[in-house]
Amino acid sequence: GAVVSQHPSWVICKSGTSVKIECRSLDFQATTMFWYRQFPKQSLMLMATSNEGSKATYEQGVEKDKFLINHASLTLSTLTVTSAHPEDSSFYICSAREGTGGEKLFFGSGTQLSVL
Amino acid sequence: GNSVTQMEGPVTLSEEAFLTINCTYTATGYPSLFWYVQYPGEGLQLLLKATKADDKGSNKGFEATYRKETTSFHLEKGSVQVSDSAVYFCALANAGKSTFGDGTTLTVKP
Repeated sequence: GAVVSQHPSWVICKSGTSVKIECRSLDFQATTMFWYRQFPKQSLMLMATSNEGSKATYEQGVEKDKFLINHASLTLSTLTVTSAHPEDSSFYICSAREGTGGEKLFFGSGTQLSVL
Repeated sequence: GNSVTQMEGPVTLSEEAFLTINCTYTATGYPSLFWYVQYPGEGLQLLLKATKADDKGSNKGFEATYRKETTSFHLEKGSVQVSDSAVYFCALANAGKSTFGDGTTLTVKP
């Protein structure tokens, strides 16, 4: 089946630093990738939708200047948490949709971010 | 807007017990419905799906039927195993976006 690789799986950083998370589709072209955030014991919250070659679409309440998303190729999207703070500590998951119009999503394994 | 309401957990069962995890949804149009599973320490995996009314998705002994009249997509398994212990997410996909339920933690004891 299709594989989405997310890296790193966990990261610890100091407050004020920036962290980049990568999401790669390994064996298919993903024109659309999604970034989610998951708080403990809560459901995933969609942060933004990333389309290859265009600006990401952010959900209401998500700061686009803080969570920079780049989808420069059909197989790679990155999420950069800029000037991270402890409240940004969370589990971030990406997912990719194969092709165009398909509903099936493939998920990365997630990144646990801890900001000290 | 779209929403998914899942049965609250956690759910604890003995091995070989019958499992039902309720899921209801609200959505405009005709969404696709999914159950995802998240095993400990791993990311989400698609468990099964149904794309239209009365479709039954099935995988690994789990089943769910798309009931448009009751806007439900309940997950069932006749005999659970310890290895089924995980978090189960009901989700819908509509107009290119996915909406997830809160997740239900299932623990199966030997």
